[in-house]
Amino acid sequence: KQEVTQIPAALSVPEGENLVLNCSFTDSAIYNLQWFRQDPGKGLTSLLLIQSSQREQTSGRLNASLDKSSGRSTLYIAASQPGDSATYLCAVRPPGFKTIFGAGTRLFVKA
Amino acid sequence: SQTIHQWPATLVQPVGSPLSLECTVEGTSNPNLYWYRQAAGRGLQLLFYSVGIGQISSEVPQNLSASRPQDRQFILSSKKLLLSDSGFYLCAWSVQSLRNTEAFFGQGTRLTVV
Repeated sequence: KQEVTQIPAALSVPEGENLVLNCSFTDSAIYNLQWFRQDPGKGLTSLLLIQSSQREQTSGRLNASLDKSSGRSTLYIAASQPGDSATYLCAVRPPGFKTIFGAGTRLFVKA
Repeated sequence: SQTIHQWPATLVQPVGSPLSLECTVEGTSNPNLYWYRQAAGRGLQLLFYSVGIGQISSEVPQNLSASRPQDRQFILSSKKLLLSDSGFYLCAWSVQSLRNTEAFFGQGTRLTVV
């Protein structure tokens, strides 16, 4: 059974700091891994999608890596800003129609 | 471009009352559709998914049901709400024909059962 774990559960950093969010999954048989952002009381916004054949994806100040064999992904945020404060969710797509989510990392960037 | 609409945004319902949450997708055909529930401080739990009209798969036994009367419409229902049905409900869609596809989410419905 696929399980997704995100560490840390919460993180507080000063503005301008580079940071890394971690995601691990138990079964390497996945089609893709997706990182989402969720603002309080809102839906999920897709940030990056990494297909199983890829090692990383970049969008602006965000970089996500995927090591499928070890069941790990990281989301790197460069030069963090207060507007980056949100919950970040990692999700994997195993064979089938489901997407399995982690519980998220709650990020607070202090001005 | 594709968009997903979910309503209402918030809902307060008494115990024992019925529920109907609606989700529609625009700009795509034959999507996979999903209903998730997110409890406070926890991850998303998949409730139902659908790969076509009238085709519903249930992931967990519960007090809820889902229906897909049209290709791009997904409805979450209950005949009698329980207190434990409170939570944040999210609808999502993905392209059906490819495996390596993104999931896109609506803005969610905050349901409080009182």
